[in-house]
Amino acid sequence: AQSVTQLDSQVPVFEEAPVELRCNYSSSVSVYLFWYVQYPNQGLQLLLKYLSGSTLVESINGFEAEFNKSQTSFHLRKPSVHISDTAEYFCAVSDPGNQFYFGTGTSLTVIP
Amino acid sequence: ETGVTQSPTHLIKTRGQQVTLRCSSQSGHNTVSWYQQALGQGPQFIFQYYREEENGRGNFPPRFSGLQFPNYSSELNVNALELDDSALYLCASSWGPAALHFGNGTRLTVT
Repeated sequence: AQSVTQLDSQVPVFEEAPVELRCNYSSSVSVYLFWYVQYPNQGLQLLLKYLSGSTLVESINGFEAEFNKSQTSFHLRKPSVHISDTAEYFCAVSDPGNQFYFGTGTSLTVIP
Repeated sequence: ETGVTQSPTHLIKTRGQQVTLRCSSQSGHNTVSWYQQALGQGPQFIFQYYREEENGRGNFPPRFSGLQFPNYSSELNVNALELDDSALYLCASSWGPAALHFGNGTRLTVT
């Protein structure tokens, strides 16, 4: 079975400061890894994904995540956050049947 | 390219009633899955449909059922509603083993 742990439920950070949202997973099979973002009263939007290849993946809005197989982690980072990054962030893994397992989410609040 | 659309956006039902939620998948996507997101939680997998057949199910009772139609749209039906069924129900579509594309969800409140 697969499971995802997001270690921080809430992360406050000042604008233009760096941030890291932590994600660890447990799986007995090879999985794909994802980060989704959710704004209030909306569905989830894909932020970035790791399927294979380079362990460092980037999004178009400055986020990046690194797949670390030995530590079973997929932490999300951004060197300088903006007010508009305030949202709920979910880490997820998918199994070979494309069933997704989500963490409980990290609420990122960017403080002006 | 049309994204995933869900209807209705909000719904209020009484305990014991039945509800049907609808989803139109993103153009070109042949797989639809449904997730339940309780307040303050991550989405939980309900089931997945591929080519009109259920091909995966999470830990939800049989009163949660679904359909997928030839045009890949889908319905989620919940019978005998309980208070704990109050949640945001998310539909997602995909093509093969890849990222899910989510709709904005249906907020169901059971009173």
